[in-house]
Amino acid sequence: DPKIIQKPKYLVAVTGSEKILICEQYLGHNAMYWYRQSAKKPLEFMFSYSYQKLMDNQTASSRFQPQSSKKNHLDLQITALKPDDSATYFCASSPHWGGNYAEQFFGPGTRLTVL
Amino acid sequence: GDSVTQTEGLVTLTEGLPVMLNCTYQTIYSNAFLFWYVHYLNESPWLLLRSSTDNKRTEHQGFHATLHKSSSSFHLQKSSAQLSDSALYYCALSETSGGSNYKLTFGKGTLLTVTP
Repeated sequence: DPKIIQKPKYLVAVTGSEKILICEQYLGHNAMYWYRQSAKKPLEFMFSYSYQKLMDNQTASSRFQPQSSKKNHLDLQITALKPDDSATYFCASSPHWGGNYAEQFFGPGTRLTVL
Repeated sequence: GDSVTQTEGLVTLTEGLPVMLNCTYQTIYSNAFLFWYVHYLNESPWLLLRSSTDNKRTEHQGFHATLHKSSSSFHLQKSSAQLSDSALYYCALSETSGGSNYKLTFGKGTLLTVTP
C-alpha cells in the first residue's frame, strides 16, 4: 500500500485558475515537505511543516499556500496559475523536523501543466 | 547558499561496466550531510545512500560512496552496472544552520541508462 498519497497524479489547468494538490502520508511522520521539479531543473525545496506548523518557506510567491488540516495532511493551494508553474510537485515526509541526517520519504508526485 | 553539482544529463553504460556518478557540493557550514536519492520511472524518489562522516565509505544495494570533505565530494559508484540500475539519480545536501532550517538541496540529477 502506498505510504504517501498524492492526488491527482496529473493535472491540467488554465492560466489564472486555482488548484489544490493533495498529500496524505501514512507513515506516522511529524514533518512534511513540498518540493517542485520544473523542466531541466533540480528538485527544489518549497515548504516544511512540523506538527502542522510552518517551519520554513523558500517560495517567493504568496500564490503558493500550504494547508494542513490534519497532522498527516499537507495540501498545496496554488492560485492565479501561470505557465511557469508547470512542474511535478512532490510531497515528502520525515519522522521529525530538524534532523539533518533523517531520511525523507517522497510521494509519487503530481504533474501540473498550466496552459 | 548551498549548492550541489553532479554529473549532468544522461550517462549511458553497457551492462557490467563500472558506474561513477560525480557529486560535489558547496556549503558554508562545517557539518555536511550528503545523500543519494534514486528515482525510477513512475515511482517515488527514495534514499539510496547517506553520509555525514568524512572519509568513511557507505554502501547499499551494491552502490557505495565516500564523503570527502577536503574535496567536497560524494561520488556514487558501483563496480558493475545492471539493467535494473537505469534510473534518475540525485545527489542532495542537507542544510544545517543551528537547527533553524532543515531542507534538502538537490543537484540537477543524472539519468543513468544501462544497455545490454
